[in-house]
Amino acid sequence: EAQVTQNPRYLITVTGKKLTVTCSQNMNHEYMSWYRQDPGLGLRQIYYSMNVEVTDKGDVPEGYKVSRKEKRNFPLILESPSPNQTSLYFCASSVRGDQPQHFGDGTRLSIL
Amino acid sequence: AQSVTQLGSHVSVSEGALVLLRCNYSSSVPPYLFWYVQYPNQGLQLLLKYTTGATLVKGINGFEAEFKKSETSFHLTKPSAHMSDAAEYFCAVSDLGRGSTLGRLYFGRGTQLTVWP
Repeated sequence: EAQVTQNPRYLITVTGKKLTVTCSQNMNHEYMSWYRQDPGLGLRQIYYSMNVEVTDKGDVPEGYKVSRKEKRNFPLILESPSPNQTSLYFCASSVRGDQPQHFGDGTRLSIL
Repeated sequence: AQSVTQLGSHVSVSEGALVLLRCNYSSSVPPYLFWYVQYPNQGLQLLLKYTTGATLVKGINGFEAEFKKSETSFHLTKPSAHMSDAAEYFCAVSDLGRGSTLGRLYFGRGTQLTVWP
């Protein structure tokens, strides 16, 4: 089954404690992306990757890091999380950036 | 960068009534256009897409959308709402589409659809 898998689905943590949200896709897609969803703001892109070893900032990259060492995985790293990063996060993948994206089920992060 | 405007953050209709969710974009070059639906506690699912060809696009669950270049619009409609249509709907637009490898999607802020019995 074609899918984008994110882990964990839910996480409550404290300010400053480094965390990583994993994302893996099994569709051999070149393009992967991270979004955050906040009420009234829709989806805002954090980072994206057009292919392995190529990543670039989206609209709200501050406080986040990513890496794309292999095609299927695109982890999101919060080196020093802060409460304003409390949000619902989605990973997505597609054949190309302007094509329909397949979304994971989301990760709800709460940073206290 | 693209700008995507969804008019109305909340839309309420009665079951059986017409659903109309509005989306306007800013590009002067016809982009690729998408509608996604998000059910509670789930990720986004593609409803329909417009890339080329016929400007009236049919999607899943009886939804359709019409690309109107002159109005830079891509409104989503469904003739008869069902309770199961209650969800959040997002319009998305690509930039640099038409075969560019540099394209990305821009999302509107979403429209929450409520369906009353």
